Amino acid sequence: DTGVSQDPRHKITKRGQNVTFRCDPISEHNRLYWYRQTLGQGPEFLTYFQNEAQLEKSRLLSDRFSAERPKGSFSTLEIQRTEQGDSAMYLCASSPPSGRANGELFFGEGSRLTVL
Amino acid sequence: AQSVAQPEDQVNVAEGNPLTVKCTYSVSGNPYLFWYVQYPNRGLQFLLKYITGDNLVKGSYGFEAEFNKSQTSFHLKKPSALVSDSALYFCAVRGNAGGTSYGKLTFGQGTILTVHP
Repeated sequence: DTGVSQDPRHKITKRGQNVTFRCDPISEHNRLYWYRQTLGQGPEFLTYFQNEAQLEKSRLLSDRFSAERPKGSFSTLEIQRTEQGDSAMYLCASSPPSGRANGELFFGEGSRLTVL
Repeated sequence: AQSVAQPEDQVNVAEGNPLTVKCTYSVSGNPYLFWYVQYPNRGLQFLLKYITGDNLVKGSYGFEAEFNKSQTSFHLKKPSALVSDSALYFCAVRGNAGGTSYGKLTFGQGTILTVHP
């Protein structure tokens, strides 16, 4: 399968623990995005990378959240000192270079976080 | 700021009947508009998009959407619904004003479409 891959698919953790999610985009896509989706809501934009550069971060992304894309390929999203309000589905998406696909995003199946 | 409204949480339709899922938007500049579908335990899948040109856009699985600038709407339609169309549908918008990130979409809350046999 050459789609966007996310790992783990499910994570249950206790409040205060740190968690890390990984996203592997489609190989030729240089743009990578993280979104968060809570029950009954649409996805909300968190952050965006073009190659290894993090170009935009949402105000939703508190200082407990950090995302990296060190070599412009896979990305990680780390949440430190998790809170129950962090429970959500974390979605990764990628897209090809500008001018191709005209804004269409290719989403992974998501990583579901449950904080107890 | 950009926003999307999907006024119906749920839409129910009989198989074979036409369906409409409504979406209105607010954005600076000309809009880029999208519809995505989400099946249970699956990722969001792209259905169709409006960037420019013809107001009637055709997409995957027989879906189409009509862009109406004066009403700031982008309703999703299908002439004949299938049971397999039952899923969660999201409308999304991105403005083309300067400084807007390429993939920073604003999604609506979603509409659950149920097609009854």
